[in-house]
Amino acid sequence: EVRLLESGGDLVQPGGSLRLSCAASGFSINNYPMTWVRQTPGGGLQWVSTITATGTTYYADSVKGRFTISRDLSKNTLLLQMNSLRAEDTAIYYCAKRGFLDLTYYFDYWGQGSMVTVSS
Amino acid sequence: EIVLTQSPGTLSLSPGERATLSCRTSQHLSRSFLAWYQQKPGQAPRLLVYAAVSRATGIPDRFSGGGSGTDFTLTISRLEPEDSALYYCQHYESSPFRVTFGPGTKVDIK
Repeated sequence: EVRLLESGGDLVQPGGSLRLSCAASGFSINNYPMTWVRQTPGGGLQWVSTITATGTTYYADSVKGRFTISRDLSKNTLLLQMNSLRAEDTAIYYCAKRGFLDLTYYFDYWGQGSMVTVSS
Repeated sequence: EIVLTQSPGTLSLSPGERATLSCRTSQHLSRSFLAWYQQKPGQAPRLLVYAAVSRATGIPDRFSGGGSGTDFTLTISRLEPEDSALYYCQHYESSPFRVTFGPGTKVDIK
Protein backbone atom coordinates (compact mmCIF):
# COMPACT_ATOMS: atom_id res chain seq x y z
CA GLU A 1 0.00 0.00 0.00
CA VAL A 2 1.33 3.43 -0.95
CA ARG A 3 1.70 5.84 1.96
CA LEU A 4 3.20 9.31 2.28
CA LEU A 5 3.85 10.83 5.70
CA GLU A 6 5.02 14.43 6.03
CA SER A 7 6.77 15.87 9.06
CA GLY A 8 8.75 18.93 10.05
CA GLY A 9 6.09 21.64 9.95
CA ASP A 10 6.36 24.28 12.66
CA LEU A 11 5.97 27.92 13.63
CA VAL A 12 8.97 29.89 12.38
CA GLN A 13 9.86 33.57 12.29
CA PRO A 14 10.13 35.48 9.01
CA GLY A 15 13.57 34.96 7.54
CA GLY A 16 13.92 31.61 9.25
CA SER A 17 14.44 28.12 7.85
CA LEU A 18 12.62 24.82 8.06
CA ARG A 19 13.05 21.39 6.52
CA LEU A 20 10.07 19.22 5.64
CA SER A 21 10.29 15.46 5.18
CA CYS A 22 7.95 13.07 3.41
CA ALA A 23 8.52 9.40 4.21
CA ALA A 24 7.24 7.15 1.44
CA SER A 25 6.29 3.49 1.69
CA GLY A 26 4.81 0.99 -0.74
CA PHE A 27 6.89 2.25 -3.66
CA SER A 28 10.33 3.64 -4.38
CA ILE A 29 10.58 7.41 -4.82
CA ASN A 30 13.51 6.67 -7.09
CA ASN A 31 11.03 5.49 -9.72
CA TYR A 32 8.52 8.34 -9.70
CA PRO A 33 8.56 12.13 -9.89
CA MET A 34 7.64 13.59 -6.50
CA THR A 35 6.08 16.96 -5.83
CA TRP A 36 5.35 19.41 -3.03
CA VAL A 37 2.02 21.25 -3.19
CA ARG A 38 0.88 23.77 -0.60
CA GLN A 39 -2.53 24.99 0.45
CA THR A 40 -2.75 28.51 1.74
CA PRO A 41 -5.09 29.67 4.53
CA GLY A 42 -7.34 31.04 1.79
CA GLY A 43 -7.75 27.50 0.52
CA GLY A 44 -6.03 27.60 -2.86
CA LEU A 45 -3.68 24.84 -3.98
CA GLN A 46 -0.25 25.94 -5.22
CA TRP A 47 2.42 23.86 -6.83
CA VAL A 48 5.76 24.39 -5.05
CA SER A 49 8.38 22.06 -6.48
CA THR A 50 8.95 18.79 -8.33
CA ILE A 51 11.86 16.39 -8.55
CA THR A 52 11.83 13.89 -11.40
CA ALA A 53 12.92 10.26 -11.19
CA THR A 54 16.25 11.27 -12.71
CA GLY A 55 16.74 14.07 -10.17
CA THR A 56 15.86 17.12 -12.28
CA THR A 57 14.24 19.80 -10.13
CA TYR A 58 11.63 22.45 -10.87
CA TYR A 59 10.35 25.29 -8.72
CA ALA A 60 7.51 27.75 -8.69
CA ASP A 61 8.73 31.31 -9.25
CA SER A 62 7.55 32.28 -5.76
CA VAL A 63 10.01 29.90 -4.07
CA LYS A 64 12.88 29.75 -6.56
CA GLY A 65 16.19 30.49 -4.89
CA ARG A 66 14.76 29.97 -1.40
CA PHE A 67 13.50 26.38 -1.41
CA THR A 68 15.40 23.23 -2.34
CA ILE A 69 13.79 19.88 -3.11
CA SER A 70 15.83 16.72 -2.72
CA ARG A 71 15.60 13.01 -1.95
CA ASP A 72 17.21 10.72 0.59
CA LEU A 73 16.98 7.48 -1.38
CA SER A 74 18.44 5.42 1.47
CA LYS A 75 15.39 6.39 3.55
CA ASN A 76 12.93 6.60 0.65
CA THR A 77 12.19 10.14 1.80
CA LEU A 78 11.43 13.36 -0.04
CA LEU A 79 12.77 16.59 1.46
CA LEU A 80 12.03 20.29 1.16
CA GLN A 81 14.54 22.76 2.59
CA MET A 82 12.87 26.14 3.02
CA ASN A 83 15.03 29.21 3.67
CA SER A 84 14.28 32.92 3.93
CA LEU A 85 10.70 32.12 4.87
CA ARG A 86 8.03 34.77 4.42
CA ALA A 87 4.55 35.20 5.85
CA GLU A 88 3.09 34.23 2.47
CA ASP A 89 4.75 30.80 2.76
CA THR A 90 2.30 29.98 5.54
CA ALA A 91 0.40 26.93 4.34
CA ILE A 92 -0.22 23.24 4.68
CA TYR A 93 2.49 21.47 2.67
CA TYR A 94 1.58 18.21 0.96
CA CYS A 95 3.90 15.79 -0.76
CA ALA A 96 2.41 13.95 -3.70
CA LYS A 97 3.38 11.11 -6.01
CA ARG A 98 2.89 11.43 -9.75
CA GLY A 99 0.56 8.94 -11.40
CA PHE A 100 1.79 6.13 -13.60
CA LEU A 101 1.03 7.84 -16.91
CA ASP A 102 4.22 9.19 -18.46
CA LEU A 103 4.59 12.58 -20.17
CA THR A 104 2.02 14.24 -17.91
CA TYR A 105 1.67 15.18 -14.27
CA TYR A 106 -1.22 14.33 -12.02
CA PHE A 107 -1.02 13.13 -8.44
CA ASP A 108 -2.48 9.80 -7.41
CA TYR A 109 -1.26 9.72 -3.80
CA TRP A 110 -0.97 12.55 -1.29
CA GLY A 111 0.33 12.80 2.25
CA GLN A 112 -1.79 14.15 5.08
CA GLY A 113 0.02 17.49 5.07
CA SER A 114 2.37 19.39 7.37
CA MET A 115 1.52 22.88 8.64
CA VAL A 116 4.07 25.64 8.25
CA THR A 117 3.34 28.97 9.93
CA VAL A 118 5.62 31.93 9.33
CA SER A 119 4.98 34.64 11.89
CA SER A 120 6.78 36.77 14.43
CA GLU B 1 1.13 30.87 -18.39
CA ILE B 2 -2.14 28.99 -18.66
CA VAL B 3 -4.87 30.17 -16.30
CA LEU B 4 -7.62 27.84 -15.09
CA THR B 5 -11.08 29.23 -14.30
CA GLN B 6 -13.63 27.08 -12.52
CA SER B 7 -17.35 27.68 -12.42
CA PRO B 8 -19.62 27.96 -10.66
CA GLY B 9 -17.94 28.99 -7.44
CA THR B 10 -20.54 27.12 -5.42
CA LEU B 11 -23.11 24.54 -6.48
CA SER B 12 -25.97 23.72 -4.15
CA LEU B 13 -27.94 20.63 -5.16
CA SER B 14 -30.02 17.82 -3.69
CA PRO B 15 -29.11 14.13 -3.42
CA GLY B 16 -29.76 12.29 -6.66
CA GLU B 17 -29.31 15.39 -8.80
CA ARG B 18 -26.65 15.83 -11.45
CA ALA B 19 -23.73 18.22 -10.96
CA THR B 20 -21.72 19.65 -13.82
CA LEU B 21 -18.51 21.46 -12.90
CA SER B 22 -16.60 23.52 -15.44
CA CYS B 23 -12.87 24.14 -15.85
CA ARG B 24 -12.01 26.62 -18.57
CA THR B 25 -8.40 27.17 -19.65
CA SER B 26 -6.87 30.30 -21.17
CA GLN B 27 -5.20 28.26 -23.91
CA HIS B 28 -5.95 25.05 -25.76
CA LEU B 29 -4.85 21.99 -23.78
CA SER B 30 -4.12 18.41 -24.56
CA ARG B 31 -6.54 16.16 -22.70
CA SER B 32 -3.56 14.33 -21.24
CA PHE B 33 -2.68 17.32 -19.10
CA LEU B 34 -5.95 17.86 -17.20
CA ALA B 35 -6.91 16.23 -13.89
CA TRP B 36 -9.65 16.63 -11.26
CA TYR B 37 -9.45 16.29 -7.47
CA GLN B 38 -11.92 16.19 -4.60
CA GLN B 39 -11.03 17.66 -1.22
CA LYS B 40 -13.03 17.36 1.98
CA PRO B 41 -12.36 19.50 5.07
CA GLY B 42 -9.25 18.44 6.94
CA GLN B 43 -8.22 15.99 4.24
CA ALA B 44 -5.70 15.97 1.42
CA PRO B 45 -6.94 16.22 -2.16
CA ARG B 46 -8.03 12.93 -3.73
CA LEU B 47 -7.52 12.18 -7.42
CA LEU B 48 -10.80 11.61 -9.27
CA VAL B 49 -9.97 11.89 -12.97
CA TYR B 50 -6.73 12.09 -14.95
CA ALA B 51 -6.06 12.72 -18.64
CA ALA B 52 -9.42 14.53 -18.66
CA VAL B 53 -11.57 11.40 -18.96
CA SER B 54 -9.89 8.51 -17.09
CA ARG B 55 -11.35 7.67 -13.72
CA ALA B 56 -8.80 6.98 -10.98
CA THR B 57 -8.70 3.66 -9.16
CA GLY B 58 -11.56 3.19 -6.73
CA ILE B 59 -13.56 6.20 -7.91
CA PRO B 60 -17.30 5.48 -8.34
CA ASP B 61 -18.61 5.55 -11.89
CA ARG B 62 -20.98 8.41 -11.07
CA PHE B 63 -17.90 10.63 -11.50
CA SER B 64 -16.95 11.28 -15.11
CA GLY B 65 -14.65 13.71 -16.87
CA GLY B 66 -15.11 15.21 -20.30
CA GLY B 67 -14.30 18.06 -22.61
CA SER B 68 -11.42 19.14 -24.79
CA GLY B 69 -9.62 22.21 -26.06
CA THR B 70 -10.31 24.93 -23.54
CA ASP B 71 -13.46 23.56 -21.89
CA PHE B 72 -13.42 20.61 -19.54
CA THR B 73 -16.10 19.23 -17.25
CA LEU B 74 -16.47 16.99 -14.24
CA THR B 75 -19.92 15.45 -13.96
CA ILE B 76 -21.33 13.77 -10.87
CA SER B 77 -24.33 11.94 -12.22
CA ARG B 78 -26.25 11.12 -9.03
CA LEU B 79 -25.16 13.18 -6.08
CA GLU B 80 -24.75 11.52 -2.71
CA PRO B 81 -24.36 13.33 0.61
CA GLU B 82 -20.68 12.34 0.82
CA ASP B 83 -19.99 14.24 -2.42
CA SER B 84 -20.08 17.51 -0.49
CA ALA B 85 -16.56 18.83 -1.05
CA LEU B 86 -14.32 21.19 -2.96
CA TYR B 87 -13.38 20.14 -6.47
CA TYR B 88 -10.23 21.34 -8.22
CA CYS B 89 -9.00 20.98 -11.77
CA GLN B 90 -5.26 20.83 -12.39
CA HIS B 91 -3.10 21.31 -15.44
CA TYR B 92 0.51 20.57 -16.33
CA GLU B 93 2.77 22.46 -18.74
CA SER B 94 6.07 20.99 -19.87
CA SER B 95 7.89 24.07 -21.10
CA PRO B 96 8.50 25.74 -18.81
CA PHE B 97 7.61 23.10 -16.26
CA ARG B 98 4.59 24.25 -14.30
CA VAL B 99 1.64 22.71 -12.48
CA THR B 100 -1.45 24.87 -11.97
CA PHE B 101 -4.62 24.33 -9.98
CA GLY B 102 -7.94 26.01 -10.56
CA PRO B 103 -9.57 28.01 -7.73
CA GLY B 104 -12.07 25.25 -7.01
CA THR B 105 -15.83 24.68 -7.02
CA LYS B 106 -17.63 23.99 -3.78
CA VAL B 107 -20.42 21.44 -3.99
CA ASP B 108 -23.03 21.57 -1.22
CA ILE B 109 -25.57 18.80 -0.93
CA LYS B 110 -28.77 20.20 0.54
